Amino acid sequence: DIQMTQSPSTLSASVGDRLTITCRASQNINKYLAWYQRKPGKAPNLLIYAASTLNGGVPSRFSGSGSGTEFTLTINSLQPDDFATYYCQQYMSFWTFGQGTQVEVK
Amino acid sequence: QVRLMESGGGVVQPGRSLRLSCAASGFTLSNFGVHWVRQAPGKGLTWVSYISYVGSNSIYANSVRGRFTISRDSSRNAVSLQISSLTPEDTGIYFCAREGHAPKINIFEMWGQGTMVTVSS
Repeated sequence: DIQMTQSPSTLSASVGDRLTITCRASQNINKYLAWYQRKPGKAPNLLIYAASTLNGGVPSRFSGSGSGTEFTLTINSLQPDDFATYYCQQYMSFWTFGQGTQVEVK
Repeated sequence: QVRLMESGGGVVQPGRSLRLSCAASGFTLSNFGVHWVRQAPGKGLTWVSYISYVGSNSIYANSVRGRFTISRDSSRNAVSLQISSLTPEDTGIYFCAREGHAPKINIFEMWGQGTMVTVSS
């Protein structure tokens, strides 16, 4: 099974900050990686797929990069609506999520 | 309105069974692959099951294989998840998610808001 490891687990930030979340795969997954945003009481939301393709309707301050085993999600100029938990997910071999990164108010 | 809605959750005693439903509105669910994802209290997202768009292929996580059964009810434009021999470890929010079409196959493009399952005596 492919394991996904995110870091950090928690990130304290302020509005306007630039954030980077890292996701590592236990083996090569090429670019079969997605990022999701999860807010309490709401459905998870697809942000990015194929490691760097922005899903429709997602603000351009979100971006993704990486391939193979190392990936990053970057949020430029954090907005109040961005405080949430973010998950990476590999879909090369079945489906596995990272443990999540909670972005909280500093 | 295009959306997915889960139902069927509740408080259940250990050892009992439960059937969750994921109903689609605004589109035909049988045209898409569908997944169930679980989130235990205070934990992250865990994939549990998948059914292909034609319903001929179903896949389960190792942790639930043999107790979970995913199926389609095309007449109701829905997908069900039957859970048997419930244990407290099955407690959590259960989400259904729809895949996209190419290039978003295998990607969870649309999600429901989830239904809560609590296994307790």
